[in-house]
Amino acid sequence: GAGVSQSPRYKVAKRGQDVALRCDPISGHVSLFWYQQALGQGPEFLTYFQNEAQLDKSGLPSDRFFAERPEGSVSTLKIQRTQQEDSAVYLCASSLEGRGGFVYEQYFGPGTRLTVT
Amino acid sequence: QKEVEQDPGPLSVPEGAIVSLNCTYSNSAFQYFMWYRQYSRKGPELLMYTYSSGNKEDGRFTAQVDKSSKYISLFIRDSQPSDSATYLCAMSAGGGADGLTFGKGTHLIIQP
Repeated sequence: GAGVSQSPRYKVAKRGQDVALRCDPISGHVSLFWYQQALGQGPEFLTYFQNEAQLDKSGLPSDRFFAERPEGSVSTLKIQRTQQEDSAVYLCASSLEGRGGFVYEQYFGPGTRLTVT
Repeated sequence: QKEVEQDPGPLSVPEGAIVSLNCTYSNSAFQYFMWYRQYSRKGPELLMYTYSSGNKEDGRFTAQVDKSSKYISLFIRDSQPSDSATYLCAMSAGGGADGLTFGKGTHLIIQP
């Protein structure tokens, strides 16, 4: 079946613009994660959803970052007033079960490469 | 000091060699340990998963976890040019619904 898809694949924004990044997880997956991967670094956790509930947003770097998953499927990561340090690849991952389950694999999408000029 | 340390490389070895990749970590709460492979411009894909200490083998890949030393390893036997990629170690205290803490990744090059 289809994997995790993300759009757009590439986004160029001028400093100060708002951007919205979309994630379509694997159908039926309960858990959804957002990660930020800077150039030459490993992914860093941003936020976690179990269905529509945002259970963990401890990794969001500032209040300019906002994520939602209103119907428990598609998720959007919004960055307001973008700064140059926001330039990175934003990865979305989904997993079949939620907390308390036994499924551990997170399936990653290809990412959205954001460049802030 | 980051929670997970991983040498970024690059690590270049000839085809057919045994490759050893490793990570150290500082958080003793980590219980779940994973190795992901990431090709350029792609998302990470899970290769191996280990819970707590011990060894796990899957085809040409072997994962080892030594919690007493806070040290994990991935071995690749009979390495192939198609194994050339960045290898990321990742770990969490909880199970699959926890955000993962990744290492920086090691860039591996297998020379034909």
